[in-house]
Amino acid sequence: DVKVTQSSRYLVKRTGEKVFLECVQDMDHENMFWYRQDPGLGLRLIYFSYDVKMKEKGDIPEGYSVSREKKERFSLILESASTNQTSMYLCASSLYEGSSYNEQFFGPGTRLTVL
Amino acid sequence: DAKTTQPTSMDCAEGRAANLPCNHSTISGNEYVYWYRQIHSQGPQYIIHGLKNNETNEMASLIITEDRKSSTLILPHATLRDTAVYYCIVRVEDSNYQLIWGAGTKLIIKP
Repeated sequence: DVKVTQSSRYLVKRTGEKVFLECVQDMDHENMFWYRQDPGLGLRLIYFSYDVKMKEKGDIPEGYSVSREKKERFSLILESASTNQTSMYLCASSLYEGSSYNEQFFGPGTRLTVL
Repeated sequence: DAKTTQPTSMDCAEGRAANLPCNHSTISGNEYVYWYRQIHSQGPQYIIHGLKNNETNEMASLIITEDRKSSTLILPHATLRDTAVYYCIVRVEDSNYQLIWGAGTKLIIKP
């Protein structure tokens, strides 16, 4: 089975701190995604990556950056955490888009609280 | 904006078939319909996807109308563990191949 793991289930940080959220997948997937999920807003794409060292902005990239130095690992970075970044963060991975099959496999999520 | 419309919530009796509708009237000819679900406190889980033919797997069936403007996800024998938010998604056909997520349908299975 595909497994996507995230470094923490719950995280509490203070305003202004630099925050790293780590995601690792074990199925050699090319694509990796970071979403945030807020009540009433559904899942919104922050960034995605289709290859090592490649990244593309999603719908809400402001205040975030990402890093993909290895194929299996995709990191989300909050340069200076703010209270409006309190949210559930979900990581996902999928196979290369050359095929029509685009099942995204999700991690369990990290609930981040910024005080 | 999401390209699909779903009811906000639905109930279904345990053991009965749960039929979840989805409207996607602006779907393009080469766009797929995907269904995911999210059980409380978990990440979303893929269920099924289709283009124009009906599809079935071990979890569910997907019925797509001939004009492709709507579809129905069928859980044939719903159990309490099927209580979740179900998302109907049309895959955006551009170089990003993003999935645009709407609010989904909260399905509650009642004993």
